[in-house]
Parts: sequence; C-alpha cells; structure tokens
Amino acid sequence: QVQLVESGGGVVQPGGSLRLSCAASGFTFSSYGMHWVRQAPGKGLEWVAFIRYDGSNKYYADSVKGRFTISRDNSKNTLYLQMNSLRAEDTAVYYCAKDAGGGVGDYWGQGTLVTVSS
Amino acid sequence: DIQMTQSPSTLSASVGDRVTITCRASQSISSWLAWYQQKPGKAPKLLIYKASSLESGVPSRFSGSGSGTEFTLTISSLQPDDFATYYCQQYNSYSLTFGGGTKVEIK
Repeated sequence: QVQLVESGGGVVQPGGSLRLSCAASGFTFSSYGMHWVRQAPGKGLEWVAFIRYDGSNKYYADSVKGRFTISRDNSKNTLYLQMNSLRAEDTAVYYCAKDAGGGVGDYWGQGTLVTVSS
Repeated sequence: DIQMTQSPSTLSASVGDRVTITCRASQSISSWLAWYQQKPGKAPKLLIYKASSLESGVPSRFSGSGSGTEFTLTISSLQPDDFATYYCQQYNSYSLTFGGGTKVEIK
C-alpha cells in the first residue's frame, strides 16, 4: 500500500533553515509528481510546492518562492523540502502528497511539525 | 492567484441530514476541482476530483457537482463518521489553492 512518511520537522529560530524529507513506498515514486502542503495551527490548508515526476519542473506558492526549494531523489524514493530564511508564519504541519495527476493529492503523509520561534 | 471561497464556514447538522457545501472560484476553473475531508490531527483524505468523480473507496453518499466558478459537495445522509472539516481545492493551474474549509459539527 502507498506510504508517505515525513521527517525533519522541529523547532528553528527565525532566519534559520530546515530540510524536510518524505520517504515514499508502495508505488513507483519516479512516475508521479509530488506536493508539499502545509497547515498552520488551527488554520486551513496551504499548498507550498510541486515537483514533476522527473524533477524537470517545480512550482511554488508566492509565500515561499525564493526561500524554499523542492527536490527529489528517485533512486532513494524520497522527496525533500529545503526551507531557508524561515519566518514565524512558516510554523505549520507540513504534509507531502502524491499527485494523482494534474494537481490532486490522492495519498498524504501524516505530516511533520515545523515551529519557527526564538 | 485563483481565490477559493467556501460557505458556510461552519455547519451544524444531525445524523441523516442532507448536507451541501458550496465552493466558489474567483475565475473559471472548468472542472478542475477536488474535495477533501480532514479530521482533527489527521491528513486530508481525497473524496472527489474533477468536480464530480468519486475517489475509489469513498462512500456513494458523497457527491460533487458544478463547473466554471461554482461547485457543491453534497452528503446525502450524514453519518457519524462524516463530522469533519471539508476543503475544496482548485487545480486549474500550478498555483494550487484551497478554500478556507467548512467544519461540519454535530447539531
């Protein structure tokens, strides 16, 4: 069965960096695009970034453009999110999601919490 | 960016009720709309894609309709497991956006 397991969350100071990982199993990872979506405490869902199956195209929300980088290693079945210049408003649970095609997330991980605080 | 507006933000209903949630897009998104269900502390679960296509394994009491800028999610007979928050999401372009959510509470 499809499994997505995020890791790498934690507490970081404003201006700091963090790298999230998402380990995928149960499907052919190299054939699917992947998303990162976040949810601030008590708030709604916010799409963060998308990467095509082969890493050829990447798309970002305006709120993270220039600070976050999405990448993948298909040999390791792993998705990444490098987060730099972190701000308090980046505090959220970060989910990775498999793209079913066109932008729909059909399988989601359990999420990893990132807290930006001094 | 395309803005997605859901209404109502909160809905109180009883088991067995018919429930309808509306989602409006700030511009036409054809049928590129998905609906998700989220329970506290859990990841979202895909219910509907392409406005009206039911995801595999999702009960048939869930249905979606609409195109262009106005969409609805209907639960034909609310069950205890359906009390949750529901989000719409447009995927007309790769600047995906979600609606603000509709929390379905027990009346």
